[in-house]
Amino acid sequence: SQTIHQWPATLVQPVGSPLSLECTVEGTSNPNLYWYRQAAGRGLQLLFYSVGIGQISSEVPQNLSASRPQDRQFILSSKKLLLSDSGFYLCAWSIGGLQPQHFGDGTRLSIL
Amino acid sequence: RKEVEQDPGPFNVPEGATVAFNCTYSNSASQSFFWYRQDCRKEPKLLMSVYSSGNEDGRFTAQLNRASQYISLLIRDSKLSDSATYLCVVNMRRNNNDMRFGAGTRLTVKP
Repeated sequence: SQTIHQWPATLVQPVGSPLSLECTVEGTSNPNLYWYRQAAGRGLQLLFYSVGIGQISSEVPQNLSASRPQDRQFILSSKKLLLSDSGFYLCAWSIGGLQPQHFGDGTRLSIL
Repeated sequence: RKEVEQDPGPFNVPEGATVAFNCTYSNSASQSFFWYRQDCRKEPKLLMSVYSSGNEDGRFTAQLNRASQYISLLIRDSKLSDSATYLCVVNMRRNNNDMRFGAGTRLTVKP
C-alpha cells in the first residue's frame, strides 16, 4: 500500500533563516505531488504541484520554492523565511489530477 | 462568489442525531468532488468521493446537485468520534491539479 512521509512534524525557525521540508511517497510510481499551506482556522492553499521529476508548477507567488529531485521526493524550500510563512504545511500525493489526494502528517512551522 | 464555500458552523449535535452539510462551488465545469475530514491539528483524510448518482458509505451519504452547484454530506446516527471539521473539495477545471478546498464545517457531537 502507499504511504507518505513528511518531516519534521514541528519546526520553529527565526525570521530570515532558510527552510527545507521533505516529503517522500512509497508504494507508487510517478505520483502527482502537492504542497499546501493551511493558516490557523483557514482552508488549504495550494502552493506547488508536480506531475514528474523536475516539473514544478507554482500556484502562488511567494518566497518559497519546490523541487522534485526524484520520482517520489518533493522538497519545499525557502532562502529567507518571513513571519507570514508560519502555518501548517502539508504534502500530498495522488495518482492523477482528478483523483483524491492523500496527505502526509504535516509540518507545523512557527516563525519567531 | 467564493470558488468553494461551506458554512463554517459550528454544528453542535447530540449523539444519534442526523446532520447535513452543504458545500457550493462556482465552476459549473467541475468534475471531481470529495469530502475530507480533518481532526484538530491533523492532516485531512479522505472520507468519500462524491458521484453523480449519489453514494453511501455506512452512516455517510454524499450527494451532488450539478444544477444548483452544490454537494452535500449527510451523517446519520452521529457518534462522538464524528466530531471533526469536514472539508469539501472540488476541482476547478483550470487544470487537472487545481483542487480547491473549502474552509471546512466544524462538527461537535455531544453525549
